[in-house]
Amino acid sequence: QKEVEQNSGPLSVPEGAIASLNCTYSDRGSQSFFWYRQYSGKSPELIMSIYSNGDKEDGRFTAQLNKASQYVSLLIRDSQPSDSATYLCAVRPNTGNQFYFGTGTSLTVIP
Amino acid sequence: DAGVTQSPTHLIKTRGQQVTLRCSPISGHKSVSWYQQVLGQGPQFIFQYYEKEERGRGNFPDRFSARQFPNYSSELNVNALLLGDSALYLCASSPTLSNYGYTFGSGTRLTVV
Repeated sequence: QKEVEQNSGPLSVPEGAIASLNCTYSDRGSQSFFWYRQYSGKSPELIMSIYSNGDKEDGRFTAQLNKASQYVSLLIRDSQPSDSATYLCAVRPNTGNQFYFGTGTSLTVIP
Repeated sequence: DAGVTQSPTHLIKTRGQQVTLRCSPISGHKSVSWYQQVLGQGPQFIFQYYEKEERGRGNFPDRFSARQFPNYSSELNVNALLLGDSALYLCASSPTLSNYGYTFGSGTRLTVV
């Protein structure tokens, strides 16, 4: 079983719509959760972090965490073509200093 | 302020050769981590260094080694290169060992032929 699982997509949404990206993780004791955006040929860029159950909003982005279900999601409101990228979910487990990354979900926003 | 800088940006090596990749973290950041990202996959943890000490090692063979210098910069060395070592090597900088998210450098694209 992989530590972090994401639907690889591709996910396509029309411009202006809400894009919903999902991630599950295996270590129930995990405490820190992150979403990274990676454009093709570029390095990952941190866009959201979340540490406690519930929602965290930052501009058009909302991260949602449900530790009981071991589930993290990212909502992108008013999606723009510039949001087209691969979104990586990262989890820091209860022990150790490394982050585990999912394989990423490819998002395409259609103008 | 300068971000995380990595060098070189691209590298082509032959099987069996050795390579050294370099990273300078954000000023004031004391932790450097190295990740390998194969095309189509998420980054995989290789090493973490903090205050010049190794604080974590991923599931990579002993051909991979690293070190951190007094100025917190770091080098990743890979010996006896294999075709499967072809990947984007990412250096990640963070202030401490706490739960901050990483800031990644632009990466070094290594191609082994």
